[in-house]
Amino acid sequence: AAGVIQSPRHLIKEKRETATLKCYPIPRHDTVYWYQQGPGQDPQFLISFYEKMQSDKGSIPDRFSAQQFSDYHSELNMSSLELGDSALYFCASSSPGTSGIRGTDTQYFGPGTRLTVL
Amino acid sequence: AQSVAQPEDQVNVAEGNPLTVKCTYSVSGNPYLFWYVQYPNRGLQFLLKYITGDNLVKGSYGFEAEFNKSQTSFHLKKPSALVSDSALYFCAGRALNTGTASKLTFGTGTRLQVTL
Repeated sequence: AAGVIQSPRHLIKEKRETATLKCYPIPRHDTVYWYQQGPGQDPQFLISFYEKMQSDKGSIPDRFSAQQFSDYHSELNMSSLELGDSALYFCASSSPGTSGIRGTDTQYFGPGTRLTVL
Repeated sequence: AQSVAQPEDQVNVAEGNPLTVKCTYSVSGNPYLFWYVQYPNRGLQFLLKYITGDNLVKGSYGFEAEFNKSQTSFHLKKPSALVSDSALYFCAGRALNTGTASKLTFGTGTRLQVTL
């Protein structure tokens, strides 16, 4: 079965540089989530999109921005990178839950992009 | 506000023995709970979820989880552990009816080590 695709898988940047992470959801999934997982930490929610509109926002720095495109893929743009931005960035996708209860979608995660800021 | 707690950083069990990985939650309203597993340098793999209904939820790879409303717990269980089950396990949740594309809150993770 098709899974969530993230590119690149590994990225090395210098401080103050910019980075763009891409996420391609599972086919027919219309919702994308971004999470950040620091070393030895649990995933922290950054932002989500449903039908190309921002839906929920977490602890995403102002230096970061994201969007979802017409083909449902999403990009996370990171500027003025800092050492503390080094982490594993996960994208997850979902489709509307079928149980009839709002918010019952299951998030399926991609393999992640490991960002290292030197 | 919502939170998920995993009180054990690590659980050690011998292969063939039953395993339990603990999770408690604090959610406003009815909870929607998940278990995910993470192998080294890999993404999070969905194991199972609880929405409503039967308190015992069966998932992938022989895992199951028991929802207990009075104890606000959602412990992950497996009757007979395998060495290949060794990984990092995350409990996650959110409240139902919070809208579309609402975030999941994760616990801090429990490392399961299964030995021969």
